[in-house]
Amino acid sequence: GAGVSQSPSNKVTEKGKDVELRCDPISGHTALYWYRQSLGQGLEFLIYFQGNSAPDKSGLPSDRFSAERTGGSVSTLTIQRTQQEDSAVYLCASNLPGSATQYFGPGTRLLVL
Amino acid sequence: DAKTTQPTSMDCAEGRAANLPCNHSTISGNEYVYWYRQIHSQGPQYIIHGLKNNETNEMASLIITEDRKSSTLILPHATLRDTAVYYCIVRVTPDKLIFGTGTRLQVFP
Repeated sequence: GAGVSQSPSNKVTEKGKDVELRCDPISGHTALYWYRQSLGQGLEFLIYFQGNSAPDKSGLPSDRFSAERTGGSVSTLTIQRTQQEDSAVYLCASNLPGSATQYFGPGTRLLVL
Repeated sequence: DAKTTQPTSMDCAEGRAANLPCNHSTISGNEYVYWYRQIHSQGPQYIIHGLKNNETNEMASLIITEDRKSSTLILPHATLRDTAVYYCIVRVTPDKLIFGTGTRLQVFP
């Protein structure tokens, strides 16, 4: 079945470069979330979209991080001027309207050299 | 969202029931208890949730105490594939999940 998909699955970049991570939520899921998981750590909330608007951006760690969502579907998380501490797995999740059960994608593993 | 407390790790023999406890003593009346698990190198997977009553689905059972201050996730016949980190989360709003450190369950042959 069509679950949440993320691309790329792995990304290696050099410090200072910009990266874009993509999330395709499950069709019909109006809410979309980005989380980050550093090696050996728990999941850290980054941002939440309801439709195309982001009512909660409280987890974005710095102004180098931004996200957008278009057409109420695909979302892109952009990290500018990457730093080594940005290395982590970036996870996307979505859920149906009125449901609090989130469905997660497989994640993008980002390594900043 | 209410804070939860879980043991850091647990072991379980294959085929036996795995009982994972969670304390949420500050839970309020409209907060649900959710359980997710994360198998190594995968995204978290929803298991089950409940408000007051005990719940059962094809994956697990959730037992919530009458005062709602604690709950237990039960995997009735654990398999090696159930080895994962299990997260207990309490929440009321349909937005971000606040993950704690979870319980690392190791199922052994």
